[in-house]
Amino acid sequence: DQQVKQNSPSLSVQEGRISILNCDYTNSMFDYFLWYKKYPAEGPTFLISISSIKDKNEDGRFTVFLNKSAKHLSLHIVPSQPGDSAVYFCAAHSGAGSYQLTFGKGTKLSVIP
Amino acid sequence: DTAVSQTPKYLVTQMGNDKSIKCEQNLGHDTMYWYKQDSKKFLKIMFSYNNKELIINETVPNRFSPKSPDKAHLNLHINSLELGDSAVYFCASSHVRSGANVLTFGAGSRLTVL
Repeated sequence: DQQVKQNSPSLSVQEGRISILNCDYTNSMFDYFLWYKKYPAEGPTFLISISSIKDKNEDGRFTVFLNKSAKHLSLHIVPSQPGDSAVYFCAAHSGAGSYQLTFGKGTKLSVIP
Repeated sequence: DTAVSQTPKYLVTQMGNDKSIKCEQNLGHDTMYWYKQDSKKFLKIMFSYNNKELIINETVPNRFSPKSPDKAHLNLHINSLELGDSAVYFCASSHVRSGANVLTFGAGSRLTVL
């Protein structure tokens, strides 16, 4: 039972364009959402998070949007760079500081020069 | 100056053997984790320790035993290895940032059981 779903296993984008990575969740108790980036042979690294009291959070080229009614979030990367090519994981937990983080399966982003 | 370091990075062993993976973090975090990434690429939590106390123990075979000698270390010992144990095991530590529990992961340990 996947509570966090990333339905696109892969995505290709031209350099300089916008990359949009999507994530859906089923557990309405989730109130914190995080995005991680993972390069091959490395561990995931934290990118950006958002709490359910917000609908947008921005950090440089990365923006996360949350649509609670649709139980959907997305990560926008603008402009996309070749170094952004990686696997992106969406994750969620319920309750501030909760240790039980649930991850999606990841989306592999390829940014084409 | 790695924040979360785990060793070994690669481990190839025979079925039935016992092996350990070590993890250390120098971030001063109170909480540490073991995650498993299987062939389907899901990252699943196995264990979590907070200040050396076990706080999360997911449905994992008894052959897996974590040990936390202090809050900077969390080791994973696996007895009687089986083919299905082949996976990448990630250690992590965490801190809370604006309510979000932010994990810092190690580079992973790829275990192959033959």
